[in-house]
Amino acid sequence: DAGVIQSPRHEVTEMGQEVTLRCKPISGHDYLFWYRQTMMRGLELLIYFNNNVPIDDSGMPEDRFSAKMPNASFSTLKIQPSEPRDSAVYFCASRQGQANTEAFFGQGTRLTVV
Amino acid sequence: AQTVTQSQPEMSVQEAETVTLSCTYDTSESDYYLFWYKQPPSRQMILVIRQEAYKQQNATENRFSVNFQKAAKSFSLKISDSQLGDAAMYFCAYRRGNSGGYQKVTFGIGTKLQVIP
Repeated sequence: DAGVIQSPRHEVTEMGQEVTLRCKPISGHDYLFWYRQTMMRGLELLIYFNNNVPIDDSGMPEDRFSAKMPNASFSTLKIQPSEPRDSAVYFCASRQGQANTEAFFGQGTRLTVV
Repeated sequence: AQTVTQSQPEMSVQEAETVTLSCTYDTSESDYYLFWYKQPPSRQMILVIRQEAYKQQNATENRFSVNFQKAAKSFSLKISDSQLGDAAMYFCAYRRGNSGGYQKVTFGIGTKLQVIP
C-alpha cells in the first residue's frame, strides 16, 4: 500500500479564497483523522471519521472549516474563506480500529494564506 | 482533560551516544496508551514506540526504549547509539484505552533532536 496520500503537498493562496485539501486513506482503514500543526499550538485534532461518518468535530476551529468523507477512500478538508491565521501544516491520518494499531500519517499539506 | 508536557524544546547528542527525551502527562484514566512519534524534515509522522499503561514492562524497539513510570506519570524515550538519521522532532502522545472506542490522541509540543557527527 502507498500509505496515506495527501494533496497538494504545498498550497499558497490569497486571503478570502477557498482552499480544499485532499486525503486518500490506507485501504481497509475505518478511521480517518484531520490534524493541524502550528508552531504555537502543536498538533491539534480537527475532526475524525469512522466508516465515513464524522464522529468528533469539536476541534474544528470555526464555521469556515468543513470536512467530508463521501466514501471510504477519499476525504476533503475545506476552508472558506481562508485567512492568514489558517497557515499551518494539515495532516491526514488513518487507522484500522479492529487491528488496534496506531494511526498512519500522510506527509501533510503546508498551507500558506497570504 | 489530558495534557502532555515536553519540557525540552531542543536537545543535542553526539553520534553513537545515548540521549533521553522527557515527557510527562496528566490523566485520571487507568487504561491508556503512550507513544513517541518522530517527525523528520520530510514532515512524515512516524510511530517510534508504543506503551500500554497496563503493562509494567518498558517497551523496546531496537535502539529505542522507554522508561514508563506510571505513578509519576512520566514517559521518557531513550535513544541508544544515536545516528544522524535520528535527527528530527520527537512528539510524546497519549490516547485513552480502546474501551468506548475513544480515538483522540493528545500530542506534546515536541522536542527537536540534533545529532552531532
